Amino acid sequence: KAGVTQTPRYLIKTRGQQVTLSCSPISGHRSVSWYQQTPGQGLQFLFEYFSETQRNKGNFPGRFSGRQFSNSRSEMNVSTLELGDSALYLCASSLGLAGGPSTDTQYFGPGTRLTVL
Amino acid sequence: AQSVTQPDIHITVSEGASLELRCNYSYGATPYLFWYVQSPGQGLQLLLKYFSGDTLVQGIKGFEAEFKRSQSSFNLRKPSVHWSDAAEYFCAVAPSTDSWGKLQFGAGTQVVVTP
Repeated sequence: KAGVTQTPRYLIKTRGQQVTLSCSPISGHRSVSWYQQTPGQGLQFLFEYFSETQRNKGNFPGRFSGRQFSNSRSEMNVSTLELGDSALYLCASSLGLAGGPSTDTQYFGPGTRLTVL
Repeated sequence: AQSVTQPDIHITVSEGASLELRCNYSYGATPYLFWYVQSPGQGLQLLLKYFSGDTLVQGIKGFEAEFKRSQSSFNLRKPSVHWSDAAEYFCAVAPSTDSWGKLQFGAGTQVVVTP
Protein backbone atom coordinates (compact mmCIF):
# COMPACT_ATOMS: atom_id res chain seq x y z
CA LYS A 1 0.00 0.00 0.00
CA ALA A 2 1.41 3.40 -0.98
CA GLY A 3 2.26 5.74 1.85
CA VAL A 4 1.40 9.38 2.36
CA THR A 5 2.73 11.49 -0.49
CA GLN A 6 3.44 15.18 -0.43
CA THR A 7 4.14 17.45 -3.35
CA PRO A 8 6.28 19.25 -4.05
CA ARG A 9 9.12 18.02 -1.88
CA TYR A 10 11.02 21.28 -2.08
CA LEU A 11 9.84 24.80 -2.76
CA ILE A 12 11.50 28.20 -2.81
CA LYS A 13 9.38 31.33 -2.64
CA THR A 14 9.92 35.00 -1.90
CA ARG A 15 8.29 37.10 0.78
CA GLY A 16 4.79 38.20 -0.05
CA GLN A 17 4.05 35.32 -2.39
CA GLN A 18 1.58 32.57 -1.65
CA VAL A 19 2.10 28.84 -1.80
CA THR A 20 -0.03 25.71 -2.00
CA LEU A 21 1.16 22.36 -0.71
CA SER A 22 -0.52 19.06 -1.48
CA CYS A 23 -0.95 15.88 0.52
CA SER A 24 -2.34 12.59 -0.75
CA PRO A 25 -3.28 10.29 2.13
CA ILE A 26 -3.04 6.53 2.24
CA SER A 27 -5.90 4.94 0.33
CA GLY A 28 -8.95 4.65 2.58
CA HIS A 29 -7.78 7.26 5.06
CA ARG A 30 -10.22 10.10 5.63
CA SER A 31 -8.33 12.23 8.14
CA VAL A 32 -5.43 14.47 7.20
CA SER A 33 -3.46 16.57 9.69
CA TRP A 34 -0.85 19.21 8.90
CA TYR A 35 2.17 20.16 10.98
CA GLN A 36 4.88 22.76 10.70
CA GLN A 37 8.41 21.84 11.80
CA THR A 38 11.04 24.51 12.44
CA PRO A 39 14.29 24.41 14.42
CA GLY A 40 13.04 27.12 16.77
CA GLN A 41 9.44 26.08 17.40
CA GLY A 42 9.65 22.36 16.76
CA LEU A 43 6.62 20.47 15.52
CA GLN A 44 3.42 22.44 15.69
CA PHE A 45 -0.07 21.36 14.72
CA LEU A 46 -1.73 23.42 11.99
CA PHE A 47 -5.09 21.79 11.31
CA GLU A 48 -6.90 18.51 10.78
CA TYR A 49 -9.45 17.69 8.14
CA PHE A 50 -11.89 14.80 8.17
CA SER A 51 -14.40 14.15 5.42
CA GLU A 52 -13.82 17.60 3.89
CA THR A 53 -14.44 19.40 7.22
CA GLN A 54 -11.90 21.04 9.46
CA ARG A 55 -12.06 19.11 12.71
CA ASN A 56 -9.25 20.73 14.70
CA LYS A 57 -7.21 23.87 14.34
CA GLY A 58 -3.92 25.02 15.81
CA ASN A 59 -2.77 28.50 16.76
CA PHE A 60 -1.64 29.86 13.44
CA PRO A 61 -2.65 33.13 11.76
CA GLY A 62 -5.34 33.24 9.13
CA ARG A 63 -2.69 33.30 6.40
CA PHE A 64 -2.55 29.55 6.87
CA SER A 65 -5.54 27.74 5.44
CA GLY A 66 -6.39 24.33 4.20
CA ARG A 67 -9.01 22.23 2.57
CA GLN A 68 -9.81 18.64 1.85
CA PHE A 69 -11.36 17.21 -1.25
CA SER A 70 -13.89 14.41 -1.62
CA ASN A 71 -11.09 11.95 -2.41
CA SER A 72 -9.46 12.90 0.94
CA ARG A 73 -6.53 14.66 -0.69
CA SER A 74 -5.70 17.82 1.15
CA GLU A 75 -4.05 21.11 0.34
CA MET A 76 -2.72 23.80 2.58
CA ASN A 77 -2.19 27.36 1.50
CA VAL A 78 -0.02 30.06 2.97
CA SER A 79 -0.64 33.57 1.73
CA THR A 80 1.65 36.58 2.03
CA LEU A 81 4.67 34.51 2.92
CA GLU A 82 7.05 35.67 5.62
CA LEU A 83 10.63 34.60 6.26
CA GLY A 84 9.47 32.79 9.38
CA ASP A 85 7.27 30.50 7.32
CA SER A 86 10.37 28.66 6.13
CA ALA A 87 9.86 25.18 7.50
CA LEU A 88 9.25 21.54 6.82
CA TYR A 89 5.52 21.01 6.40
CA LEU A 90 4.38 17.51 7.26
CA CYS A 91 1.05 15.92 6.70
CA ALA A 92 -0.25 12.80 8.34
CA SER A 93 -3.18 10.63 7.46
CA SER A 94 -5.29 8.20 9.40
CA LEU A 95 -8.57 6.36 9.08
CA GLY A 96 -10.15 8.94 11.38
CA LEU A 97 -12.03 6.31 13.34
CA ALA A 98 -14.06 7.31 16.37
CA GLY A 99 -11.97 5.09 18.64
CA GLY A 100 -8.88 7.18 18.09
CA PRO A 101 -5.44 5.67 18.58
CA SER A 102 -6.77 2.47 20.10
CA THR A 103 -7.82 1.41 16.63
CA ASP A 104 -6.10 3.90 14.36
CA THR A 105 -2.61 5.20 13.53
CA GLN A 106 -1.33 8.42 12.00
CA TYR A 107 1.13 7.93 9.18
CA PHE A 108 3.35 10.81 8.16
CA GLY A 109 4.52 11.84 4.74
CA PRO A 110 8.10 12.90 3.96
CA GLY A 111 7.22 16.58 4.10
CA THR A 112 7.57 19.62 1.88
CA ARG A 113 10.58 21.81 2.59
CA LEU A 114 9.55 25.44 2.06
CA THR A 115 12.20 28.13 1.90
CA VAL A 116 11.10 31.76 1.90
CA LEU A 117 13.68 34.28 0.65
CA ALA B 1 -0.88 24.66 30.61
CA GLN B 2 -0.73 21.37 28.76
CA SER B 3 2.80 20.44 27.82
CA VAL B 4 5.12 17.69 26.69
CA THR B 5 8.72 17.80 27.86
CA GLN B 6 11.71 15.92 26.61
CA PRO B 7 14.46 16.97 29.03
CA ASP B 8 17.36 15.72 26.92
CA ILE B 9 18.05 17.62 23.72
CA HIS B 10 20.98 15.43 22.74
CA ILE B 11 22.16 11.97 23.80
CA THR B 12 25.27 10.12 22.70
CA VAL B 13 25.32 6.36 23.15
CA SER B 14 27.75 3.63 22.12
CA GLU B 15 26.59 0.97 19.72
CA GLY B 16 25.39 -2.01 21.71
CA ALA B 17 24.66 0.02 24.82
CA SER B 18 21.20 0.59 26.21
CA LEU B 19 19.21 3.73 25.51
CA GLU B 20 16.55 5.52 27.51
CA LEU B 21 14.80 8.67 26.35
CA ARG B 22 12.67 10.61 28.77
CA CYS B 23 9.27 12.16 28.22
CA ASN B 24 7.06 13.93 30.74
CA TYR B 25 3.62 15.35 30.12
CA SER B 26 1.33 17.72 31.90
CA TYR B 27 -2.34 17.10 31.22
CA GLY B 28 -5.46 16.95 33.35
CA ALA B 29 -6.14 13.35 32.47
CA THR B 30 -4.04 10.62 30.96
CA PRO B 31 -3.65 11.49 27.30
CA TYR B 32 -2.82 9.21 24.45
CA LEU B 33 0.98 8.91 24.23
CA PHE B 34 3.24 8.25 21.28
CA TRP B 35 6.88 7.97 20.31
CA TYR B 36 7.96 8.86 16.79
CA VAL B 37 11.37 8.72 15.12
CA GLN B 38 12.62 11.00 12.37
CA SER B 39 15.68 10.23 10.29
CA PRO B 40 17.37 13.05 8.36
CA GLY B 41 15.26 14.21 5.45
CA GLN B 42 12.44 11.89 6.38
CA GLY B 43 8.99 12.19 7.84
CA LEU B 44 7.99 10.74 11.19
CA GLN B 45 7.65 7.04 11.81
CA LEU B 46 5.56 5.75 14.69
CA LEU B 47 7.52 3.54 17.08
CA LEU B 48 4.76 2.81 19.56
CA LYS B 49 1.69 4.22 21.27
CA TYR B 50 -0.11 3.96 24.58
CA PHE B 51 -3.83 4.45 25.01
CA SER B 52 -4.80 2.18 27.90
CA GLY B 53 -4.09 -1.11 29.60
CA ASP B 54 -0.65 -2.62 30.02
CA THR B 55 1.79 0.11 31.01
CA LEU B 56 4.71 -1.50 29.17
CA VAL B 57 4.26 -1.05 25.45
CA GLN B 58 6.25 -2.87 22.81
CA GLY B 59 7.00 -1.16 19.54
CA ILE B 60 8.89 -1.65 16.33
CA LYS B 61 12.66 -1.88 15.92
CA GLY B 62 13.09 -3.37 19.40
CA PHE B 63 11.83 -0.31 21.27
CA GLU B 64 9.58 -0.34 24.31
CA ALA B 65 8.11 2.36 26.50
CA GLU B 66 6.75 2.40 30.02
CA PHE B 67 3.86 4.58 31.10
CA LYS B 68 4.04 5.73 34.72
CA ARG B 69 0.95 7.63 35.76
CA SER B 70 2.40 8.70 39.12
CA GLN B 71 5.34 10.36 37.38
CA SER B 72 3.44 11.56 34.30
CA SER B 73 6.15 9.91 32.24
CA PHE B 74 6.39 7.79 29.14
CA ASN B 75 10.03 6.86 28.70
CA LEU B 76 11.35 5.06 25.66
CA ARG B 77 13.96 2.31 25.97
CA LYS B 78 16.03 0.02 23.83
CA PRO B 79 18.31 -2.63 25.35
CA SER B 80 20.99 -2.51 22.66
CA VAL B 81 21.25 0.28 20.09
CA HIS B 82 22.37 -0.13 16.52
CA TRP B 83 24.07 2.52 14.39
CA SER B 84 20.83 2.80 12.42
CA ASP B 85 19.06 4.08 15.54
CA ALA B 86 20.80 7.43 15.16
CA ALA B 87 17.92 9.85 14.57
CA GLU B 88 15.71 12.35 16.31
CA TYR B 89 13.03 11.00 18.61
CA PHE B 90 9.81 12.76 19.47
CA CYS B 91 7.35 12.12 22.22
CA ALA B 92 3.82 13.22 21.42
CA VAL B 93 0.45 13.37 23.14
CA ALA B 94 -3.14 13.63 22.05
CA PRO B 95 -5.43 14.88 24.81
CA SER B 96 -8.57 13.00 23.84
CA THR B 97 -10.19 10.78 21.28
CA ASP B 98 -11.94 13.77 19.71
CA SER B 99 -8.69 15.60 19.13
CA TRP B 100 -6.33 12.71 18.63
CA GLY B 101 -5.51 13.99 15.16
CA LYS B 102 -4.06 17.05 16.90
CA LEU B 103 -0.77 15.82 18.30
CA GLN B 104 1.35 17.94 20.61
CA PHE B 105 5.02 17.11 20.29
CA GLY B 106 7.96 17.47 22.60
CA ALA B 107 11.07 19.29 21.41
CA GLY B 108 12.78 16.08 20.42
CA THR B 109 15.92 14.24 21.48
CA GLN B 110 18.75 13.83 19.00
CA VAL B 111 20.45 10.46 19.41
CA VAL B 112 24.00 9.97 18.20
CA VAL B 113 25.41 6.44 18.10
CA THR B 114 29.18 6.02 18.32
CA PRO B 115 31.09 2.91 17.26
